Amino acid sequence: AQKVTQAQTEISVVEKEDVTLDCVYETRDTTYYLFWYKQPPSGELVFLIRRNSFDEQNEISGRYSWNFQKSTSSFNFTITASQVVDSAVYFCALSALNSGNTPLVFGKGTRLSVIA
Amino acid sequence: DAGVIQSPRHEVTEMGQEVTLRCKPISGHDYLFWYRQTMMRGLELLIYFNNNVPIDDSGMPEDRFSAKMPNASFSTLKIQPSEPRDSAVYFCASSFGRTPGANVLTFGAGSRLTVL
Repeated sequence: AQKVTQAQTEISVVEKEDVTLDCVYETRDTTYYLFWYKQPPSGELVFLIRRNSFDEQNEISGRYSWNFQKSTSSFNFTITASQVVDSAVYFCALSALNSGNTPLVFGKGTRLSVIA
Repeated sequence: DAGVIQSPRHEVTEMGQEVTLRCKPISGHDYLFWYRQTMMRGLELLIYFNNNVPIDDSGMPEDRFSAKMPNASFSTLKIQPSEPRDSAVYFCASSFGRTPGANVLTFGAGSRLTVL
């Protein structure tokens, strides 16, 4: 079975601070995809990034960066110089393709509050 | 494209009433997913369709829930009779591609259901 754990339920930071959101996943499959989605206060879920299990390169997109480490089964998300607009709930998700090509399993999410 | 369109955005009903939630996926997308979001359980997959055919409904909580996709541009999720524990935000999402697990999901804005 697939499982995603986001141990941080809520995080509060002051604007311009860096913040890292943790994601630990469990799967026995060798082929899988990891995702991050953002849910701003308006409620919709917005796709941020997708990584497959064969690509461990870290990724940077503006102030966002992702650190994928298979050795620790983690896919952490860092926001550099946080802004108030980053306040949202962030979800990490996993889908494993060997065992039936199942759709996404989401973590419980981390609520990030960025204070001006 | 207008994105995934869900209606109604908010629904308040009394226990025992029938509730119908509607979804119009993105044109050309061949997968459609229904998720439910609650504080306690997070985001749960209820059911998903491929080319209008239900593929996995194991997440549907019980017989009171049913989902249909009569054509490529419309799906419904029905709850009959509704109960207070059904109160949640219901998301519809769609995607395109051969492997649903690898596809990026585009979510609708959600339907917030309150059952009194």
